[in-house]
This record gives sequence, structure tokens and C-alpha cells, in this order.
Amino acid sequence: TQLLEQSPQFLSIQEGENLTVYCNSSSVFSSLQWYRQEPGEGPVLLVTVVTGGEVKKLKRLTFQFGDARKDSSLHITAAQPGDTGLYLCAGISEKLTFGTGTRLTIIP
Amino acid sequence: DSGVTQTPKHLITATGQRVTLRCSPRSGDLSVYWYQQSLDQGLQFLIQYYNGEERAKGNILERFSAQQFPDLHSELNLSSLELGDSALYFCASSVTERGAYNEQFFGPGTRLTVL
Repeated sequence: TQLLEQSPQFLSIQEGENLTVYCNSSSVFSSLQWYRQEPGEGPVLLVTVVTGGEVKKLKRLTFQFGDARKDSSLHITAAQPGDTGLYLCAGISEKLTFGTGTRLTIIP
Repeated sequence: DSGVTQTPKHLITATGQRVTLRCSPRSGDLSVYWYQQSLDQGLQFLIQYYNGEERAKGNILERFSAQQFPDLHSELNLSSLELGDSALYFCASSVTERGAYNEQFFGPGTRLTVL
């Protein structure tokens, strides 16, 4: 069974601070996705990283795929209240395997 | 709005009962996926249909079944319900069969409460 562990499980920080969320697995994935889910809604795709070592930037969000394609990180710069939500990584093999999730709260 | 619709939004029922959850994919999408999200198990893939045929199975219990109809809408049937089946059930859709490699668009979910 492929498992994706995310850390931290919960994170609460002040507006304007920086943060990093991690996604780790013992399995290799062909690519990896990050989603954000808000209360009462389904997950929404933020990014797909495909190549080991790849770095993608989406405004204040920076996503990195590990060289061995087993781990990934999401870094948010100058967090804003609108960043609040559940962040899920998902490994892609034959199907999507979702991580355990990081619930992020940005305090104004 | 992802374009994927799910009904009902909330469902409350008793143990032992049977319920049906409905999903309409985005216009043009041929694949439909069902997921279960619970506090202890996270978001787990249940089953995928592509153009009416089952394509992949995940952690779906034998008490659960699904189908995709000619108009591409899908239904997830949950029977002999147990307290532990209480969860959010999401439907997602994608254009192609290999949805894991393409973007899946998620509906707003159905919250099932089994009492």
C-alpha cells in the first residue's frame, strides 16, 4: 500500500509569515499533485509536478518535487487569510493516492 | 464551481439502510471517480468508470457498488450501512480514461451521516 504522510498535520500562523508543508512517501510516484480543499467543497488542483527535482511557482506558492520522486514540499511566502484550507498532496501511479493532509489556518 | 454536480448535499440515515448518491460529470468528461473522505482515513479512492465501464477499483467495500449510465451520470450505492460509513463522498470527473495523469475536477460532495 502506498502511503503519503504530510507534516505538519495542523499549522496555525500569523498573516505575513512563511511556511512549508511536507509530503513524504516510501514509494516512487511518476508525478505528484497538490490540492487545496475549503470547507464544504471538493479539492481543487493547484499544481502537478512531474520531474524529479522540479520546482514550480504559483504566485506566492512554491512547489518542489524531490529528486527521487518520493517526496514534495509546498512553501507559502507571506501567508494570507485566503490561504486557509486543507492542503493535500496526491501521488500519481495507476490512481491518485492522497496524503494525510495539512490543515492550515492563517490568522489575520 | 468545478462543473461537477452531486446530489444530495446532505444525507442522514440509519444503520442497515441503503442509499444512493448521484453525480453528474462536467460536460464532455467521460471518466467518473468516487472518493470517500473521513477523519481517520483521509481521502480514499473507491472506484472509476469510463464511458460506462468500470476501469479501476480502490478501497471499495463489497457493500458498495457504482455504475455509470449512458448519459454519463453515475450513482454510488451504499447498502447495509454502518456507523463507520459516515463520511464525505466526492465524485470527480476527467476527460480521459487515465485520470490519475490528468486533472480531475471534484464535485462539492455528499455528507452522509449514519445514525
